[in-house]
Amino acid sequence: GQQLNQSPQSMFIQEGEDVSMNCTSSSIFNTWLWYKQDPGEGPVLLIALYKAGELTSNGRLTAQFGITRKDSFLNISASIPSDVGIYFCAGTPFGNEKLTFGTGTRLTIIP
Amino acid sequence: DAGVIQSPRHEVTEMGQEVTLRCKPISGHDYLFWYRQTMMRGLELLIYFNNNVPIDDSGMPEDRFSAKMPNASFSTLKIQPSEPRDSAVYFCASSDGRPRKTEAFFGQGTRLTVV
Repeated sequence: GQQLNQSPQSMFIQEGEDVSMNCTSSSIFNTWLWYKQDPGEGPVLLIALYKAGELTSNGRLTAQFGITRKDSFLNISASIPSDVGIYFCAGTPFGNEKLTFGTGTRLTIIP
Repeated sequence: DAGVIQSPRHEVTEMGQEVTLRCKPISGHDYLFWYRQTMMRGLELLIYFNNNVPIDDSGMPEDRFSAKMPNASFSTLKIQPSEPRDSAVYFCASSDGRPRKTEAFFGQGTRLTVV
């Protein structure tokens, strides 16, 4: 099946720092989505991307659909405590409508 | 809107018992998805419905798993008989397909423990 590799697996940052994480695949994707999951909750959609090169923002979050269509990036600016959680990328491979999820990046904010 | 509602939130059952998980999608959403989340395999799509019809069940792990959607406001995922390796968090999600069905809203999940 399709593999989505997310990095880093975990991040420990201080409040106010900017965060960058990425997701790569071995094949071309038509759609890239970024979700956030809090403990005991389901994933919540943050940003959806549908075109290669597309750059979309949602408040302090910015995500990009890589021009090769094999990667995507999520940036969080000026992190705050409520940004803590697990961030998942997800996408639909070319020719397949099934959504595949990445392995997740766990974000922790150090006091 | 109340969002996607799943029940129960937690289920502990003995190996061999039948387990039924329930989901009420967001009103007006015609896509419904069942996912399973484990530490080892992450989030996996099990099956999805469109207008109450199963479209892709290739993710259903075994014949022990079955899912139904008798009407637009209710779906069940049944495991019979359950096994310890079925322990996971099961999520239901729904979408109205606009702009794409992939933009789905998830429920809070059912944490299943099979002992």
